[in-house]
Amino acid sequence: QKEVEQNSGPLSVPEGAIASLNCTYSDRGSQSFFWYRQYSGKSPELIMFIYSNGDKEDGRFTAQLNKASQYVSLLIRDSQPSDSATYLCAVLNSGYSTLTFGKGTMLLVSP
Amino acid sequence: GAVVSQHPSRVICKSGTSVKIECRSLDFQATTMFWYRQFPKKSLMLMATSNEGSKATYEQGVEKDKFLINHASLTLSTLTVTSAHPEDSSFYICSARDSGTGYGYTFGSGTRLTVV
Repeated sequence: QKEVEQNSGPLSVPEGAIASLNCTYSDRGSQSFFWYRQYSGKSPELIMFIYSNGDKEDGRFTAQLNKASQYVSLLIRDSQPSDSATYLCAVLNSGYSTLTFGKGTMLLVSP
Repeated sequence: GAVVSQHPSRVICKSGTSVKIECRSLDFQATTMFWYRQFPKKSLMLMATSNEGSKATYEQGVEKDKFLINHASLTLSTLTVTSAHPEDSSFYICSARDSGTGYGYTFGSGTRLTVV
């Protein structure tokens, strides 16, 4: 059973702080990893994907991947109230067949 | 970037009727599309994988006679909820995989189905 684990939260941070969202996965053969943002009542929106160990930055977002530890994270710098949403971690299974999603972490950014 | 269009965004239907939801990939061809449902404050639940030109693959516990999926072309998949009941009220979301996004999924905007 391929699993993706996330803390459900909520993770509460003040405006301007760094939010750190974490995810672990069980399929050691996984190659690609994705972060989605989902606002309440809306569908998920792809924020970033990463497939190499290390960091990948895009604006205020940084994805970090450590395949040895089977760990992927998303850092959001200068958090804004508009970042308040549920963040879904997803892992592309070995064989490129399907994505497995975590249950999501709710982020609350207070003004 | 990859765009997936889903219609309608909201639908209200009477119990016992059928509802069709369309999902189109606008700027890429999608040999595979995925259908999810999501209950309020719950996680995404994969219902089925739709393959162009062949039968859909349903997840365990999903009634294939109730949720009819057709993937007639490389850009269009449809989900028909047959003989809908109030318990079918949910948020249905389609998605497609695009190589341009690292083989992640691009999601449609979702359909809020309410069965009265």
